Amino acid sequence: EVQLVESGGGLVQPGGSLRLSCAASGFTFSSYWMSWVRQAPGKGLEWVANIKQDGSEKYYVDSVKGRFTISRDNAKNSLYLQMDSLRAEDTAVYYCARIRCSRTSCYIDDWGQGTLVTVSS
Amino acid sequence: DIQMTQSPSTLSASVGDRVTITCRASQSISNWLAWYQQKPGKAPNLLIYDASSLESGVPSRFSGSGSGTEFTLTISSLQPDDFATYYCQQYTSYPYTFGQGTKLEIK
Repeated sequence: EVQLVESGGGLVQPGGSLRLSCAASGFTFSSYWMSWVRQAPGKGLEWVANIKQDGSEKYYVDSVKGRFTISRDNAKNSLYLQMDSLRAEDTAVYYCARIRCSRTSCYIDDWGQGTLVTVSS
Repeated sequence: DIQMTQSPSTLSASVGDRVTITCRASQSISNWLAWYQQKPGKAPNLLIYDASSLESGVPSRFSGSGSGTEFTLTISSLQPDDFATYYCQQYTSYPYTFGQGTKLEIK
């Protein structure tokens, strides 16, 4: 059974930093692209970032470029999101997600339960 | 960026009804579209990928269709467990983008 367990969320002041972690189990972590998706309170889903199996490719939504960094440690079956220069609009539940790739497409197929990040003074 | 627009935003229906949710893309995305179901306080759950492929374990009353810019999610006979919010998402190009969601409510 696929398990994705996020941690590291909490309350942080504007301009501060936070590092989210996602512990993966139940599948061969090093074989999958991984993703972070967020959801502001009462709002819809917003894709944040993707990372390739070996970490050699990373993609971000424009609103977090230069502030957030996605990374992974395949030896520890872990995904990370380093969030710097946090703003109030970054307040959201952050989901770790697995990406399934066929020969022709890659899409999110499994999600963690999420960790809440609140940016407020 | 590719904009995804769902309609309606809210849908009221009864158990046993057949319902359809529409998702439109601002440009062609071929069939690179997924549908997710989300219940309050829970993570989303994959229902449909590649516009019309049913995810393993998802009941057959869910179906997806469409290609290019217009897509639909159909639930053939609503069950009590189906009342939730549904999102479409394109994965043809970065940034991946989601529709704003359709909340399916009990009439």
